[in-house]
Amino acid sequence: EVQLVESGGGLVEPGGSLRLSCAASGFTLNTYEMNWVRQAPGKGLESIAYISATGNTKYYADSVKGRFTISRDTAKNSLFLQMNRLRVEDTALYYCTRGSRGPYNAQDCWGQGTLVTVSS
Amino acid sequence: SYVLTQAPSVSVAPGQTARISCGGTDIETKSVHWYQQKPGQAPVLVLHDDSDRPSGIPDRFSGSNSGNTATLTINRVEAGDEADYYCQVWDSSSLHPVIFGGGTKLTVL
Repeated sequence: EVQLVESGGGLVEPGGSLRLSCAASGFTLNTYEMNWVRQAPGKGLESIAYISATGNTKYYADSVKGRFTISRDTAKNSLFLQMNRLRVEDTALYYCTRGSRGPYNAQDCWGQGTLVTVSS
Repeated sequence: SYVLTQAPSVSVAPGQTARISCGGTDIETKSVHWYQQKPGQAPVLVLHDDSDRPSGIPDRFSGSNSGNTATLTINRVEAGDEADYYCQVWDSSSLHPVIFGGGTKLTVL
């Protein structure tokens, strides 16, 4: 069964850091495009980070560029999101998603999300 | 950056047809994907590449894409279809090419 399980969320003060993890099972993560998508409370979906199947291409939303870094560990079959200089507006549920085999990044598998709360 | 526009809400009676639109400049040149999100759950892909259904999605769900509007159509709407629906495209001209619409809340009356 294809599955994604996120972890690493929690309460952090503004300016702090967190590292989110996403463990993949049922498929080999480094053969797929992968994404981080977040959803602030009561709001819509926002794509914040993307990594290509080769790992050579990464994209970031303007809202997180320069503060967040997407990466992966082939041996652990895991995706990561390093989040630095966190802001109150980064409070959200963070989803790890898999891009389908097609060229246009349909996201065919989603984790259940991990909650990040940035507050003093 | 490319913008996708969705109406905040759509209401439909059970058994009727719901149409949820997603507007964008020349969206017909792009492949549109649709996601369903029920309360407290992660989104689920219900259509990809305008009109293709992943395995397990009922054929009551269909899609079209023409001009500046893509449409998700749900026939014979059921109470269980009540959810938020999001469209998404890949826009290669944007610095971050993964674009979501703002979402539409489907209410089954």
